[in-house]
Amino acid sequence: DAGVIQSPRHEVTEMGQEVTLRCKPISGHDYLFWYRQTMMRGLELLIYFNNNVPIDDSGMPEDRFSAKMPNASFSTLKIQPSEPRDSAVYFCASSFRRGEQFFGPGTRLTVL
Amino acid sequence: AQKVTQAQTEISVVEKEDVTLDCVYETRDTTYYLFWYKQPPSGELVFLIRRNSFDEQNEISGRYSWNFQKSTSSFNFTITASQVVDSAVYFCALSSNYGGSQGNLIFGKGTKLSVKP
Repeated sequence: DAGVIQSPRHEVTEMGQEVTLRCKPISGHDYLFWYRQTMMRGLELLIYFNNNVPIDDSGMPEDRFSAKMPNASFSTLKIQPSEPRDSAVYFCASSFRRGEQFFGPGTRLTVL
Repeated sequence: AQKVTQAQTEISVVEKEDVTLDCVYETRDTTYYLFWYKQPPSGELVFLIRRNSFDEQNEISGRYSWNFQKSTSSFNFTITASQVVDSAVYFCALSSNYGGSQGNLIFGKGTKLSVKP
C-alpha cells in the first residue's frame, strides 16, 4: 500500500534558485494539501486542492510560491526565487473527502 | 476564529508512567473534526485518531485513550504505561467548515513528550 510520496526528501539550494517539490497522493483521494513546518510558526497550511482544483491558497506566503495539480496523481509546489527564510519542512497530505489526512514523509528544504 | 491550543510545550516522564496531553480548541462551527497526530524523531506525521463533533464517546486504543468534552472544548489524549517509543511530538488539530474552508487542518503548536527509561 503506497502512501503519499514526496520528492526530493532533502533539497539544498542557493538563494535565488528555483525549487520544485513534488507530491503523489494516495490513489483515490480527492483532497491534496501542502503544509509547511518551521520552528517559529509550527505547521501551517499553504494551499489545498479538491479534485485537482485549488480551493484555498490564502496560506501561500508570497507570489514566489505557486502550486499546481495537473492531474489526480501529481502536484508540485514551486518557489521562485527561493530565499533563506523559505527553509522548512514541506509536507504534502491527501484525504478522501473530509476524512483523516495522510501525510508524506516531507521534503526538508534548506536555502543558503 | 479557529484555534487549537496545546498549553504543554514539553513533558518528560519515566517509562510506565501515565501521561495526559491537553488540547483546547475554538471554532464557531457546529460540525467539526478533531485529530491527533504523532511526529516521531524521524519526522513523519502519523495519524492517530479522528473524532467528529457529534460523537463525544471516549475512545480507547490499546494504551491510548482520548477524552472529548464539548462543554470545555477539549480533546485530551492519555497514554497509559508510557514507553520510550512514545517519545515524539504530538499535535492536536481541528478541521471545520467555518467560512467555507472545508478540510484543512488547523494545528496546535505540539507537545514534545520525552519518555525516559
